[in-house]
Amino acid sequence: QITLKESGPTLVKPTQTLTLTCTFSGFSLSTSGVGVGWIRQPPGKALEWLALIYWDDDKRYSPSLKSRLTITKDTSKNQVVLTMTNMDPVDTATYYCAHATDYGEIDYWGQGTLVTVSS
Amino acid sequence: QLVLTQSPSASASLGASVKLTCTLSSGHNSYAIAWHQQQPQKGPRYLMRLNSDGSHSKGDGIPDRFSGSSSGAERYLSISSLQSEDEADYYCQTWGTGIHVVFGGGTKLTVL
Repeated sequence: QITLKESGPTLVKPTQTLTLTCTFSGFSLSTSGVGVGWIRQPPGKALEWLALIYWDDDKRYSPSLKSRLTITKDTSKNQVVLTMTNMDPVDTATYYCAHATDYGEIDYWGQGTLVTVSS
Repeated sequence: QLVLTQSPSASASLGASVKLTCTLSSGHNSYAIAWHQQQPQKGPRYLMRLNSDGSHSKGDGIPDRFSGSSSGAERYLSISSLQSEDEADYYCQTWGTGIHVVFGGGTKLTVL
């Protein structure tokens, strides 16, 4: 059974750096074809893809946010970490991590974590 | 640039059927998509993968009432025997080595 769970701060101040951790079980991020991604959803708005890291450590980022994002993995801990720099109130959203296959097909979601950016 | 287009809203009566559409931008007819459901105040749930030939494979525990089909650049999600819990936002999503991950804008389905 594949499960994913996001953790991190619920409140960050503008200009700060956000660090979120995805802890997963039921699969290995060293298995060929597997990836873990991050997606966010501002209140009342649509889903927005942020980043993906693959089993071979290939990393992909949303072009519009690439300069602010870093994704890393710790295969031994079954964790993926996303950092986003220079946070702004418009970055207030629920952040989800997800299991992906086949270069991006998302087939399992975490429950999400709401991050509010406010001074 | 690959874009997925969805109607913002749809509605159908309890017990009826509905067909939601996701349109791939020009030149991308061969792409598979995934459908995801997001019930109110919940996280998204994977429904199925839908290939360009209409074949599809559903996620764990997805009822038979949910099915997919394709025609050209159109990808469809059909829901039969609508139930109140089907009222949700539905997102299509695609992927590829060059485009990575793209989401449609979502369709809000209201069950009347």
